[in-house]
Amino acid sequence: GQSLEQPSEVTAVEGAIVQINCTYQTSGFYGLSWYQQHDGGAPTFLSYNALDGLEETGRFSSFLSRSDSYGYLLLQELQMKDSASYFCAVGPDSNYQLIWGAGTKLIIKP
Amino acid sequence: NAGVTQTPKFQVLKTGQSMTLQCAQDMNHNSMYWYRQDPGMGLRLIYYSASEGTTDKGEVPNGYNVSRLNKREFSLRLESAAPSQTSVYFCASVSGNSPLHFGNGTRLTVT
Repeated sequence: GQSLEQPSEVTAVEGAIVQINCTYQTSGFYGLSWYQQHDGGAPTFLSYNALDGLEETGRFSSFLSRSDSYGYLLLQELQMKDSASYFCAVGPDSNYQLIWGAGTKLIIKP
Repeated sequence: NAGVTQTPKFQVLKTGQSMTLQCAQDMNHNSMYWYRQDPGMGLRLIYYSASEGTTDKGEVPNGYNVSRLNKREFSLRLESAAPSQTSVYFCASVSGNSPLHFGNGTRLTVT
């Protein structure tokens, strides 16, 4: 089967750095995306990795290792507004579908 | 620039009632999707439309039907609502390798 694994919950302190991991088992690979979702809100796009390496966008970075079927999202200088759920997703595949992880709830303490 | 617009935002139905969730996008995207999200869980694909005139089942299509009315609009219909369909429904659209754009969701409760 196809699946993505990510921790259900991560806790960090304001101002710190946190890493959210994602491992995947899929029949094909078409890129790893990260989305953020605040409580009661819609998912919004954060980052996308099609190739190995690090992609940086401001305080957020995403890393991919295709040989290890592994990626992570790195959030630096954490702010209270970063409290949200973070989802990794593989795709879209040839059927235009994404395979989603169950999400990681990030709790930030002052 | 509205992006993806979903209506209604909230809905309460009684078991057996029917309703249609509406979705429209103004970004000229080819592909559109309907997802459901249950508390503490990820997104599960109900149906998708890769392009105007085509629709296909996703992971959890039972109890739902869809219509790709034109390139902009993709509706989701519940013919006979059941309590198991209580969920938050998200519509999304995309073209090529661009990221998914989501609507703000419809919160549906079936009693």
